[in-house]
Amino acid sequence: AQTVTQSQPEMSVQEAETVTLSCTYDTSESDYYLFWYKQPPSRQMILVIRQEAYKQQNATENRFSVNFQKAAKSFSLKISDSQLGDAAMYFCAYLNTGGFKTIFGAGTRLFVKA
Amino acid sequence: EAGVAQSPRYKIIEKRQSVAFWCNPISGHATLYWYQQILGQGPKLLIQFQNNGVVDDSQLPKDRFSAERLKGVDSTLKIQPAKLEDSAVYLCASSLRLGVIQETQYFGPGTRLLVL
Repeated sequence: AQTVTQSQPEMSVQEAETVTLSCTYDTSESDYYLFWYKQPPSRQMILVIRQEAYKQQNATENRFSVNFQKAAKSFSLKISDSQLGDAAMYFCAYLNTGGFKTIFGAGTRLFVKA
Repeated sequence: EAGVAQSPRYKIIEKRQSVAFWCNPISGHATLYWYQQILGQGPKLLIQFQNNGVVDDSQLPKDRFSAERLKGVDSTLKIQPAKLEDSAVYLCASSLRLGVIQETQYFGPGTRLLVL
């Protein structure tokens, strides 16, 4: 069974600084997708960034980028130039291409200090 | 474009009572998901519909939970009878089509359930 592990329950970053959130996963599949979702306090969960496992190039969306290490089964999220609005729970998630069940990690709560 | 709507936003009940949650997905979205998010954990998929058919309900506690999606649009999730461990946020999400990975899941605001 696939699993997703986020080992950092909480992280904090100074405004305008860079922070990296860690995620590891376990799977025997070779083709799959990985996601980072953001869940602000009392607001809807939204997709931040996705990565296809067959692509070697790391995905980037504005200030958000990932470091995808397929052999190590690691998928970290880097947030550059952190803003107050980045404060939220961040969930790492896995989806294999053959199935339809997204598996989420336990989440990392990010605090941004002004 | 209107987002995924859920109601109620909050519900407090006593154990052994029944409760129902409602979800209205984004217009035109064929796929609808119900997740359970217990405090301190990530969302766990309970059931997944494609139009009005069930695609996956392997993690739905069928002795007490039920869900339906009549006419392939709105959906209701019911718990009968509720247990203390059912206290959680119940999230509804929708996507345009099932199995199309590049299509995003859009989440509703959730229903926060407290069972006393």
